[in-house]
Amino acid sequence: KNQVEQSPQSLIILEGKNCTLQCNYTVSPFSNLRWYKQDTGRGPVSLTIMTFSENTKSNGRYTATLDADTKQSSLHITASQLSDSASYICVANQAGTALIFGKGTTLSVSS
Amino acid sequence: NAGVTQTPKFRVLKTGQSMTLLCAQDMNHEYMYWYRQDPGMGLRLIHYSVGEGTTAKGEVPDGYNVSRLKKQNFLLGLESAAPSQTSVYFCASSYSDYGSSYEQYFGPGTRLTVT
Repeated sequence: KNQVEQSPQSLIILEGKNCTLQCNYTVSPFSNLRWYKQDTGRGPVSLTIMTFSENTKSNGRYTATLDADTKQSSLHITASQLSDSASYICVANQAGTALIFGKGTTLSVSS
Repeated sequence: NAGVTQTPKFRVLKTGQSMTLLCAQDMNHEYMYWYRQDPGMGLRLIHYSVGEGTTAKGEVPDGYNVSRLKKQNFLLGLESAAPSQTSVYFCASSYSDYGSSYEQYFGPGTRLTVT
């Protein structure tokens, strides 16, 4: 079954700290892996898109990694800010067929 | 450049009523999509379109119909609303299809409650 699992389900960190969110996927055939940020009451916004040949990609303080062999991805947030409080969604692209969405990790950054 | 817009933002319907959700994009994208997002679940694809005049079923199409009469607009219709259709609906658009690495741009969402 094609699916994307994210952990943890929720996370609370202090402002300025780093954190890492995890994503495991079982999608075949696999094309690319995406991370989205969704603020409360808003639509998802793309952070990164990585093909199976890419190991890492950065977008400001966000760095995504991909291990296509183990079918794992992570999103690392550096020096967190209050505005990073959101849901982070991992999405695996089943090549030519569909996007498989994870349930998301809810991150709360407190001061 | 407004990106993807959705109308309305909120709506409350009674069981059996009908309504149409409107999605508009100004990026000249060929592909448009309708998703629903429910608590504790990932986004699920309802219907999508690969170009003006085309539509196709996604993962959860039952109870919904769509039309793409103009390239920039994608309409989602509920003919007879049911409480199970209470959800947040997102429209998205992209330059190319799932096999590519093109981004999907999402609208702000429509929160629908069916009582």
